[in-house]
Amino acid sequence: KAGVTQTPRYLIKTRGQQVTLSCSPISGHRSVSWYQQTPGQGLQFLFEYFSETQRNKGNFPGRFSGRQFSNSRSEMNVSTLELGDSALYLCASSWGSVAGWSGYTFGSGTRLTVV
Amino acid sequence: GENVEQHPSTLSVQEGDSAVIKCTYSDSASNYFPWYKQELGKRPQLIIDIRSNVGEKKDQRIAVTLNKTAKHFSLHITETQPEDSAVYFCAASISGGSQGNLIFGKGTKLSVKP
Repeated sequence: KAGVTQTPRYLIKTRGQQVTLSCSPISGHRSVSWYQQTPGQGLQFLFEYFSETQRNKGNFPGRFSGRQFSNSRSEMNVSTLELGDSALYLCASSWGSVAGWSGYTFGSGTRLTVV
Repeated sequence: GENVEQHPSTLSVQEGDSAVIKCTYSDSASNYFPWYKQELGKRPQLIIDIRSNVGEKKDQRIAVTLNKTAKHFSLHITETQPEDSAVYFCAASISGGSQGNLIFGKGTKLSVKP
């Protein structure tokens, strides 16, 4: 069973540019969540998509956006990049209902460096 | 919204000793509390979780306790081994873990010295 796949693994962008990251969840997982990981702030919740709809959202500015496709693959976009956006971006897929939850399976992440 | 505080930020123990990491949460509606382990350069992995209707859960050398009144929960690792060295994250959710909206603490870097 394939795991969560994130592409690309590494990115270097210039301040002011925009970037799109991709996440393919485990087959059958309809929920995809995105996190920003930095040494000082740990794992910060960006948003969660379920069945092509944003179901939950963290406290990030509107420059951070995402979407989910009918095959559950998800993309996140960051516009007008700032130096502080340099981080490891992790996505996690899960399957669940009120009766039970699979827990997160994380991807390996995309390391974004803004110069 | 929910806020999770985690202490300590770093912890160093001798092999064979016990390690305890503590977390507090702010939203009394939180009802699901997982712990993740992240080894250097690897992705976080779930090691144990607890729901609000349970006070304690154990899995071999690791255990988690929950005090709903005080709004805190703790991870206990006994008989630590060098391979336990990693960053540990606690998290909380108001969705019972059925939705992907975990709020994480900032992590504890555990070092186990042989």
